[in-house]
Amino acid sequence: GAVVSQHPSRVICKSGTSVKIECRSLDFQATTMFWYRQFPKQSLMLMATSNEGSKATYEQGVEKDKFLINHASLTLSTLTVTSAHPEDSSFYICSATKLPGLAGGPENTQYFGPGTRLTVL
Amino acid sequence: GQNIDQPTEMTATEGAIVQINCTYQTSGFNGLFWYQQHAGEAPTFLSYNVLDGLEEKGRFSSFLSRSKGYSYLLLKELQMKDSASYLCAVSDSNYQLIWGAGTKLIIKP
Repeated sequence: GAVVSQHPSRVICKSGTSVKIECRSLDFQATTMFWYRQFPKQSLMLMATSNEGSKATYEQGVEKDKFLINHASLTLSTLTVTSAHPEDSSFYICSATKLPGLAGGPENTQYFGPGTRLTVL
Repeated sequence: GQNIDQPTEMTATEGAIVQINCTYQTSGFNGLFWYQQHAGEAPTFLSYNVLDGLEEKGRFSSFLSRSKGYSYLLLKELQMKDSASYLCAVSDSNYQLIWGAGTKLIIKP
């Protein structure tokens, strides 16, 4: 199997607070995890690529000081949205691959978590 | 620039067949993925094509033509539960996934 979990599934917070989202691979070791954001009726937007034990690689336009990513083990990555604002309200999804590194490599399918819906008031 | 095009929305009837097209222009090509995403949920993997031709998996089939930069997802014997968005994603020369905006498929009884 290839199950990825996310917690929490839904969170509502006040503007200025920080929110932590956890992503876990339950039945496999995920050397690489990915964090996406998806606004309504839009496609997935890759925010960052996270490798276990090293700093995350952020996509252009994504503030690394605002979206803190920690990949402490082969089964856990966390995304912390710091000083959240209403414009950060979105659907945040993580994914993991069984093989290291290349997200779109041959047969290197991404397995997605169920997503976290963040609403910032 | 890199671009993935899919129709925004399609409607089909339960029990029928529907074909969802995807055209792409990317810097290099290392495979094309199709994912299914139900509303409010994360995407789930459907298929992967890297060579030209048709890959069949039960009711779902995926076709690829690299020379034309074209793929389609074919869904047969449509069921109501197939109502979802279908995302096309292409792996470019750097193995980065480029995502299409998705096609919302509406199934009517």
